[in-house]
Amino acid sequence: SYDLTQPPSVSVSPGQTATITCSGDKLDNKYTSWYQQKPGQSPMLVIFRDNKRPSGIPERFSGSNSGNTATLTISETQPMDDADYYCQTWDSGSAVFGPGTKVTVL
Amino acid sequence: QVRLQESGPGLVKPSQTLSLSCSVSGGSITQVDYCWSWIRQSPGKGLEWIGYIYRSGIAYYNPSLKSRVSISLDGSKNQFSLSLNSVTAADTAIYFCARDNSYPPVGIFDYWGQGAQVTVSS
Repeated sequence: SYDLTQPPSVSVSPGQTATITCSGDKLDNKYTSWYQQKPGQSPMLVIFRDNKRPSGIPERFSGSNSGNTATLTISETQPMDDADYYCQTWDSGSAVFGPGTKVTVL
Repeated sequence: QVRLQESGPGLVKPSQTLSLSCSVSGGSITQVDYCWSWIRQSPGKGLEWIGYIYRSGIAYYNPSLKSRVSISLDGSKNQFSLSLNSVTAADTAIYFCARDNSYPPVGIFDYWGQGAQVTVSS
């Protein structure tokens, strides 16, 4: 089975940049999506096809994918960005999610 | 605006079958280019994809659950359903239905239901 790895947690000060990585074998051969989930809520798509933002997602959210690592970058982080973030890709006919990263805005 | 809403029993006994439905409004589930998935989240854990179905009625499943799961689609009711048999406590989770805005699917889950808590307990 295909595995994705994410750091368990990332801490960032308001206004600074948060970087969340997602690693998998030859991940840049696949598309990666990113989801934000706040407590008690459903996940919300923030990046798809590596670097595309859905309508309504702020420009401070950006994505990239190179080699074995996809990256979600949150620029000028705001307190409302405090949440869990999951990367996701598709492999051999199955969707695969990363374990999630807790982003804490201190 | 597309909306998805899960429904079904919140409590299932061990060894029995978990059944959930997802009603879709604001769009047709038989529309091209969309796939319809079930995804679950165990308490305090991450997301696990269960499977998806396309408008043709063909479904694909997570290999780890394939022997116990079935997803079906009812175009006349604009809903799709999940059946998971021989459940154990490990199947206790919040079950989400979601739309994948791509076909073949690449994982663009742009609309999600609010989630249905299912507990497996005697």
